[in-house]
Amino acid sequence: EAGVAQSPRYKIIEKRQSVAFWCNPISGHATLYWYQQILGQGPKLLIQFQNNGVVDDSQLPKDRFSAERLKGVDSTLKIQPAKLEDSAVYLCASSLRTQGARRLNNEQFFGPGTRLTVL
Amino acid sequence: QKEVEQDPGPLSVPEGAIVSLNCTYSNSAFQYFMWYRQYSRKGPELLMYTYSSGNKEDGRFTAQVDKSSKYISLFIRDSQPSDSATYLCASLADYQLIWGAGTKLIIKP
Repeated sequence: EAGVAQSPRYKIIEKRQSVAFWCNPISGHATLYWYQQILGQGPKLLIQFQNNGVVDDSQLPKDRFSAERLKGVDSTLKIQPAKLEDSAVYLCASSLRTQGARRLNNEQFFGPGTRLTVL
Repeated sequence: QKEVEQDPGPLSVPEGAIVSLNCTYSNSAFQYFMWYRQYSRKGPELLMYTYSSGNKEDGRFTAQVDKSSKYISLFIRDSQPSDSATYLCASLADYQLIWGAGTKLIIKP
């Protein structure tokens, strides 16, 4: 079974530029997550999709970040304009269904991440 | 105060040693706890999850939760160089994972 695919793996941009990341989840997984992981910290959820609908985007800085999952399969995360503090690894994860107390075994599978450096 | 606290390490031990990795949490409503392993330049992968208090064993790994002290532990027996990674604890709150910062573990051959 193919895992979660992400591209690019690395990106270096200057502040105020824009950047986009792409994620292809595991086939059949309805739930897709985007996380930001700053060096030395745990992942922080940015946005969660159930099929093509947004379930939770409460921690997404909406003035500069946007994400979409138009056909309920792959997804893109965009930053425009980028700031120095956006330097981080952006992880995409997917699960069969939304993981919750009654669906504990709906494990989230993570992609390798995109390492963003903003200069 | 963060909801899940974890010492970032690094923790360096010789091969074959028993490793103890720990987290504390502040929200007494948390009931489900996970341990993830993250190799360099990779995404996290789930090792184990436990519910409420007690122990759960899987091969060389044992996860332990003490709800009275809000303490989560992961023990690794007969540690191997391939166990060198960052270990993240997390708690499932409603439908969101609350993560610790991760502890970097180094197993010296």
